[in-house]
Amino acid sequence: EDKVVQSPLSLVVHEGDTVTLNCSYEVTNFRSLLWYKQEKKAPTFLFMLTSSGIEKKSGRLSSILDKKELFSILNITATQTGDSAIYLCAVSQAGTALIFGKGTTLSVSS
Amino acid sequence: DAGVIQSPRHEVTEMGQEVTLRCKPISGHDYLFWYRQTMMRGLELLIYFNNNVPIDDSGMPEDRFSAKMPNASFSTLKIQPSEPRDSAVYFCASSLARGTGMSYTFGSGTRLTVV
Repeated sequence: EDKVVQSPLSLVVHEGDTVTLNCSYEVTNFRSLLWYKQEKKAPTFLFMLTSSGIEKKSGRLSSILDKKELFSILNITATQTGDSAIYLCAVSQAGTALIFGKGTTLSVSS
Repeated sequence: DAGVIQSPRHEVTEMGQEVTLRCKPISGHDYLFWYRQTMMRGLELLIYFNNNVPIDDSGMPEDRFSAKMPNASFSTLKIQPSEPRDSAVYFCASSLARGTGMSYTFGSGTRLTVV
């Protein structure tokens, strides 16, 4: 059965800390891995990764994919309270819709 | 562009009642997805349509759930009869392409509570 597993499920850090969120997957016909941020409402797109070892970066957020070991990490440096959210990992396969992990709930305290 | 529009935003209903959730996708998007989100199971795909035709409904939990897309600008998800375990946030998303994920746009969701 295809699956996407995220860890940890929840995380509490102080402002300024660096965090690493993990996503592992076991799917057939893998095409890409995506990260979304979900605050109070709808998930919003962060990154799409298709190739191993190529880091995607946006401000304090960065992500990388390892297709050999079947995982990805999302790093957030110098965290701020506005980074508090659920971070979702999803995998795109040929022939079907996105499969999501359960998410990591990040809480950043001031 | 108004984005994906879902209604109602919140729904509280009694067990056994019929519930209808509505979604208006982004104009021009040819894929429409219904997802359900709970703390225990995360975001689960229920069904998706391509050009108004249901492609994969294997995620629909049971016969109490049905979904339709009568035209390119409207879809419904119906639960009849509703049960407390159906309580969740239901998201609709639309996309120009099924597989890339970058083009998925989610609606704000409908929070359903069945008491």
